[in-house]
Amino acid sequence: NAGVTQTPKFQVLKTGQSMTLQCAQDMNHEYMSWYRQDPGMGLRLIHYSVGAGITDQGEVPNGYNVSRSTTEDFPLRLLSAAPSQTSVYFCASSSSRGAGQPQHFGDGTRLSIL
Amino acid sequence: SQQGEEDPQALSIQEGENATMNCSYKTSINNLQWYRQNSGRGLVHLILIRSNEREKHSGRLRVTLDTSKKSSSLLITASRAADTASYFCATAPRMEYGNKLVFGAGTILRVKS
Repeated sequence: NAGVTQTPKFQVLKTGQSMTLQCAQDMNHEYMSWYRQDPGMGLRLIHYSVGAGITDQGEVPNGYNVSRSTTEDFPLRLLSAAPSQTSVYFCASSSSRGAGQPQHFGDGTRLSIL
Repeated sequence: SQQGEEDPQALSIQEGENATMNCSYKTSINNLQWYRQNSGRGLVHLILIRSNEREKHSGRLRVTLDTSKKSSSLLITASRAADTASYFCATAPRMEYGNKLVFGAGTILRVKS
């Protein structure tokens, strides 16, 4: 079992470029989410999905887009990268049976915007 | 906005000592969870305590929850160098749609050997 796999692990972009961060899970989890982690601020929720075809915004959604065409995959798109989006991005998944299920995290994508 | 606030921000202890971290939160919750993050890695779930529970144990971990004070503590007994990591509390707010968790800013624990 691979769990939650994120690619790439590192990425450097120029301001204005777009890119997609990939996330895949093999646990058949309904719930998937994207967080960003900045120093001293913990994790902040960007977007989440409760199942294929259903997505919603989290706390800091501006500048990001998501889709969920399959249960396994939940890509995060940066539409036009800005230096403020320099961060570490984590994808997580969990079962949806009952509220507040423990989440399984990938190892993150470290993104720098120049 | 963050729901959980951890205290202290950083903690440095000797191997064999106990480490205590505290978490406060703002709204009613379904449960509270603690996660560990090793440097350069993702978060790993440690323990979950439900709102109707007051204390829970898992190996060297002991978690308490006081819903009247909206606070929780994580105790790691007989610490080891391998416990060096950041620790985060996360709350599952009541009345929230889906499986949302709200994370605090974390406590950095350093265990010196």
